[in-house]
Amino acid sequence: EDKVVQSPLSLVVHEGDTVTLNCSYEVTNFRSLLWYKQEKKAPTFLFMLTSSGIEKKSGRLSSILDKKELFSILNITATQTGDSAVYLCAVIYGGATNKLIFGTGTLLAVQP
Amino acid sequence: GAGVSQTPSNKVTEKGKYVELRCDPISGHTALYWYRQSLGQGPEFLIYFQGTGAADDSGLPNDRFFAVRPEGSVSTLKIQRTERGDSAVYLCASSKNPGRPYNEQFFGPGTRLTVL
Repeated sequence: EDKVVQSPLSLVVHEGDTVTLNCSYEVTNFRSLLWYKQEKKAPTFLFMLTSSGIEKKSGRLSSILDKKELFSILNITATQTGDSAVYLCAVIYGGATNKLIFGTGTLLAVQP
Repeated sequence: GAGVSQTPSNKVTEKGKYVELRCDPISGHTALYWYRQSLGQGPEFLIYFQGTGAADDSGLPNDRFFAVRPEGSVSTLKIQRTERGDSAVYLCASSKNPGRPYNEQFFGPGTRLTVL
């Protein structure tokens, strides 16, 4: 059965800390892995990773994919209270439809 | 509007009732997806439309769930004989024609459905 597993389920840190969020997957017909940030309802797109070992970076956020070990990490450095959200990992599967299978998410709380 | 819109934002109904949830995708996006997100879980795929046709409805949990997109733009998710287990946030997403390279799915704010 296709699945995406994220850890930890939740995390509480203080402003300025660095966090690492984990995502592992077992998906047939893997195409790409995506990270989303969900603050209220609508997930917003962060990164798409297709190739192993190539880091994607946007400001304080970065992510990398390991297709041999079937996992990805999302790093956030110098965390701010505005980073508090649920971070979702998703994998594109299902041939040409681009439907997504999501993990349960990691709830990150950044305290002042 | 610039983004995907969904109405209503919240819907409370009684067990056994019929509900309709509406999604208005980004103009020009031919692909439309419905997902369901239960509390503490990630979104779960329900159905995918390419244009007017449901190209993949493999995620619909049972025959009480049905969705249409008659003119290839607005879509309506219909749930008959609602059950308490249907309570969730229903998310809609749209994208340009799917394929390679991946066209980003833009999500709407969702409809929170509560079945009492």
